[in-house]
Amino acid sequence: AQSVTQLGSHVSVSEGALVLLRCNYSSSVPPYLFWYVQYPNQGLQLLLKYTTGATLVKGINGFEAEFKKSETSFHLTKPSAHMSDAAEYFCAVSLNTGFQKLVFGTGTRLLVSP
Amino acid sequence: DSGVTQTPKHLITATGQRVTLRCSPRSGDLSVYWYQQSLDQGLQFLIQYYNGEERAKGNILERFSAQQFPDLHSELNLSSLELGDSALYFCASSGGNSYNSPLHFGNGTRLTVT
Repeated sequence: AQSVTQLGSHVSVSEGALVLLRCNYSSSVPPYLFWYVQYPNQGLQLLLKYTTGATLVKGINGFEAEFKKSETSFHLTKPSAHMSDAAEYFCAVSLNTGFQKLVFGTGTRLLVSP
Repeated sequence: DSGVTQTPKHLITATGQRVTLRCSPRSGDLSVYWYQQSLDQGLQFLIQYYNGEERAKGNILERFSAQQFPDLHSELNLSSLELGDSALYFCASSGGNSYNSPLHFGNGTRLTVT
């Protein structure tokens, strides 16, 4: 069965610093990978997704992620953190089974300090 | 605003009771998904409906049931409630039934069982 592992339940960065949130997946077939963000008291919002094609995927709010098959990773990065980036981030995987059933990681809470 | 509406926002009830959570998907979306988010279990997929038919089932308890109506809104029924059912319940919708259709989440219903 497919799964995702997010390393680090909390990541703290200073404003302006690089953001790196780690996600590794486990899948026996080519996966489809997603990053979602959850702000306090809100639902999840899609940041970006990888299905096929270019392995470097750009998303909203300056985030991007790179699919690395050899490392089974899909880490999320942003060159310069902003206070408004403080939120919980979820990596998710879906198989090409004809319907979408997302399996989410446990989430990483990003803390941004001034 | 994702366009997905969930009601009520908060629900407090006692053990043994039954509640109904309601979800209106984005206009035109045929797929509805239900997820449970709790501190110990994270985000768990419960069930998916597509155009009124059940398409996928996840970790949904037998005490829980759902349906999607002809107007595409969905209801999640939780019965014989236990303290452990306290969680945030999310509904999401997507335009298609395929793996690469992004999910749009509502803001959730927070259920507290006392």
